[in-house]
Amino acid sequence: AQTVTQSQPEMSVQEAETVTLSCTYDTSENNYYLFWYKQPPSRQMILVIRQEAYKQQNATENRFSVNFQKAAKSFSLKISDSQLGDTAMYFCAFMRLYNQGGKLIFGQGTELSVKP
Amino acid sequence: GAGVSQTPSNKVTEKGKYVELRCDPISGHTALYWYRQSLGQGPEFLIYFQGTGAADDSGLPNDRFFAVRPEGSVSTLKIQRTERGDSAVYLCASSPGLAGGVYNEQFFGPGTRLTVL
Repeated sequence: AQTVTQSQPEMSVQEAETVTLSCTYDTSENNYYLFWYKQPPSRQMILVIRQEAYKQQNATENRFSVNFQKAAKSFSLKISDSQLGDTAMYFCAFMRLYNQGGKLIFGQGTELSVKP
Repeated sequence: GAGVSQTPSNKVTEKGKYVELRCDPISGHTALYWYRQSLGQGPEFLIYFQGTGAADDSGLPNDRFFAVRPEGSVSTLKIQRTERGDSAVYLCASSPGLAGGVYNEQFFGPGTRLTVL
């Protein structure tokens, strides 16, 4: 079975600074996706960024980028130029590619506070 | 267009009662997922529908939980004989579907917060 672990329950960063959120996972699969989701107090889960395991290049989306280390089963999220609106819970998630219908397996979450 | 909607937003019930939680997916999305998020935790998968059929219900915790999607659109999660441990936010997500391993993004609703007293 796959597991996802986020070892940082809480993080804080000053506005305009850079912060990195950690995630490790365990799987015997070779083909999968990894995701970072943001959940603000409104509870709506919003996709931040995704990474295909077969791609060596790290994904980037504007101020958000990942450091994907497949051999180490590590998938960290870097947020550059942090903004107050980035304050939220962040969840790392795993999706197996085949035969499981696309269900997501989430980590426990990291609560990020961006301070002015 | 409209996103995934869930009703009610909040539901308070008493131990032992029956509850129904509704999910309206994005129009045309064939895949629908239910997740449960306990306080301070990440969401946990409950059940996945492809069309009208439950393709994977391996996450349902016990036989008090049941979900239906009779016409392949709206889905209802039903919980019988509720217990205090059922208190959580129940999230629904939909996606265009999954074919041959091609990724389709899941779009989440705002969830229903269930409180069992």
